[in-house]
Amino acid sequence: EVQLLESGGDLVQPGGSLRLSCAVSGFTFSDYAMSWVRQAPGKGLEWVSGISKNGAKTDYADSVKGRFTISRDNSNNRLSLQMNSLSAEDTALYYCVKDRATAMVKSFDYWGQGTLVTVSS
Amino acid sequence: QSALTQPASVSGSPGQSITLTCTGARSDVGGYEFVSWYQQVPGTAPKLIIFDVTKRPSGVSDRFSGSKSDNTASLTISGLQAEDDADYYCSSYSHSGTLLFGGGTKLTVL
Repeated sequence: EVQLLESGGDLVQPGGSLRLSCAVSGFTFSDYAMSWVRQAPGKGLEWVSGISKNGAKTDYADSVKGRFTISRDNSNNRLSLQMNSLSAEDTALYYCVKDRATAMVKSFDYWGQGTLVTVSS
Repeated sequence: QSALTQPASVSGSPGQSITLTCTGARSDVGGYEFVSWYQQVPGTAPKLIIFDVTKRPSGVSDRFSGSKSDNTASLTISGLQAEDDADYYCSSYSHSGTLLFGGGTKLTVL
C-alpha cells in the first residue's frame, strides 16, 4: 500500500523558516518524480515544486522561487521542502504527491493527507 | 503563471450528464497532452480521475471521460450520482516546466 506521510507543519512568524518532510512507503521511491502541492484554507490547489526521480532536476512555482528548496533522499525514502522568508500568503495545507510516471509529467496518482503551515504573528 | 480558468460552480440532477471546462492557452493546455483532472471531497485529499487528457487510472469509473479542443479541456460525467458531489480541479503542464491548476469547480448534485 502506497503511503505518503507529511510532517513539519507548524505556526511560524512572518519571515521565518520551516522544513517539511514526507516519508514514503509502498513503492520504489527512486523510480518516481515527486512534488509538493498546497491548498490555502478554503481555496484551490497550487503546485509548489517538483523534483525528478534522481534529484537532478527541480522546478518551482514563481510564487516560491528563490525562497523554497525541494530535495529528496532516495536512500531513506524521504522528500523534503525547505521554506524560507515565509509570509501569510504561504499559509496552507501542504501535500506531498507522487508523480504517476517516472518522468516529471506532473500528474499525481497518490497524495498524502497534508501538513498545515500557518504563517502569522 | 496564470491559473487555468474553470467555472466556479455547476449543478445537475442524478442521471444527467454534465461537462466541466478548463480553459488555458497554447503554452499549456493547447500545447501538451498532459491535462489531468482531480476530484476532491471536502476534508479529504484530491483523487486523480483523468490523466493525459483522456486516460482513466485503474479503478476510476468509466462515467468519467476527458477530452480537449484547442486550449480548452473538458471533463464529462455521465449518469450523475450523489457521490459525484465534490470539487473538481484541472491541471496542465506548462511550457516553463511548471504545473498550472484551475481554480476548481464545485459540482452540486441536486
